[in-house]
Amino acid sequence: DAKTTQPTSMDCAEGRAANLPCNHSTISGNEYVYWYRQIHSQGPQYIIHGLKNNETNEMASLIITEDRKSSTLILPHATLRDTAVYYCIVTRGGADGLTFGKGTHLIIQP
Amino acid sequence: DAGVTQSPTHLIKTRGQQVTLRCSPKSGHDTVSWYQQALGQGPQFIFQYYEEEERQRGNFPDRFSGHQFPNYSSELNVNALLLGDSALYLCASSLRSQAYEQYFGPGTRLTVT
Repeated sequence: DAKTTQPTSMDCAEGRAANLPCNHSTISGNEYVYWYRQIHSQGPQYIIHGLKNNETNEMASLIITEDRKSSTLILPHATLRDTAVYYCIVTRGGADGLTFGKGTHLIIQP
Repeated sequence: DAGVTQSPTHLIKTRGQQVTLRCSPKSGHDTVSWYQQALGQGPQFIFQYYEEEERQRGNFPDRFSGHQFPNYSSELNVNALLLGDSALYLCASSLRSQAYEQYFGPGTRLTVT
């Protein structure tokens, strides 16, 4: 699986868009980008995934650069409940176990 | 629709002992994965079970073993416990056909003294 690099922590004001970057310069053509988050004292939660096109669901948007070497997770209107550790994971998907790094600790400020 | 459940919530064991952790997957899911999360770290993949067989395994010693039952529930067994096995153990369930979307339980906090 390709290695990912994320900032250790980020702050965002409540109500603003939170943009979380992820670098994955060694990604292979058949590898997907997945995002999970982990709120304190809970198990991780799936957010969104993509291969090369931008994706949007009820939780977030995922923007993948054309060369696929980086991506950005966007939470359009951050709330205090979005404070969590966000993990960017690159893998072939399917039956593979997920490889989590240390993620980005996103803190939403009131 | 019940989510992923794990038992027990917390557990304290002594070095050298054996422990069994249990997981019930989300209704309709057929695949169960186990992860170990040390304090301040991301979860680390232990293994995955499907159709009652271990299908994938991470970099964990044979002291870690598991089982999946016909009702898709699963157990994680750890033998000869070490202090370094103290961690949060997470169970995740999914559909085999959608294994990227894993639903995690709240975890079992294991402390080895």
